[in-house]
Amino acid sequence: QSALTQPASVSGSPGQSITISCTGTSSDVGSYNLVSWYQQHPGKAPKLMIYEGSERPSGVSNRFSGSKSGNTASLTISGLQAEDEADYYCCSYAGVYVFGTGTKVTVL
Amino acid sequence: QVQLVESGGGLVKPGGSLRLSCAGSGFTFSDYYMSWIRQAPGKGLEWVSYISSSGTTIYYADSVKGRFTISRDNAKNSLHLQMSSLRAEDTAVYYCARWSSGYYQFDYWGQGTLVTVSS
Repeated sequence: QSALTQPASVSGSPGQSITISCTGTSSDVGSYNLVSWYQQHPGKAPKLMIYEGSERPSGVSNRFSGSKSGNTASLTISGLQAEDEADYYCCSYAGVYVFGTGTKVTVL
Repeated sequence: QVQLVESGGGLVKPGGSLRLSCAGSGFTFSDYYMSWIRQAPGKGLEWVSYISSSGTTIYYADSVKGRFTISRDNAKNSLHLQMSSLRAEDTAVYYCARWSSGYYQFDYWGQGTLVTVSS
């Protein structure tokens, strides 16, 4: 149950696109298309942004998209906005759950 | 609307015990799997445990196995986490979250309850 690996921080200017990677193993990310992504603002509970690798829940902006290649999942935020500044976590299900190490997104 | 409300957090000494609860409303509680997820101060999310909708299937993270017990009371729409032999490293905000069988994402989370283990 080792945590999935994410970059500690990613930054971008308003309007730009950024991508956050989430690297696991062939036993978790690579085996199942069951990666979800969560956004967390300071002092708040996490919010589901992407599920099953690339699906968006109702109400989540289409500026958020997900993908997967091999053992690495990715979250892309296009048209970066100030409100996107938050921590982002990936999560994979493989019988049990494992979260990523988290990425702080800064809007410059 | 869907609501999950945790309670029971507080300050406890190392080696002590604490019982957390999570009250669900606005949905059919017995239809959903439930999980506890924690976040140490300034740290990332860590999955702790989950229980199936009927309560028959339970899993724990290795870090809490043998010390924590998850349970649920579908008649009272409540989820519980009995924590014993608490350690300083168990200090965290504990969230409850729901997920559907066949859909492996946490679509609703509570606001969290803080557990502090300190002498």
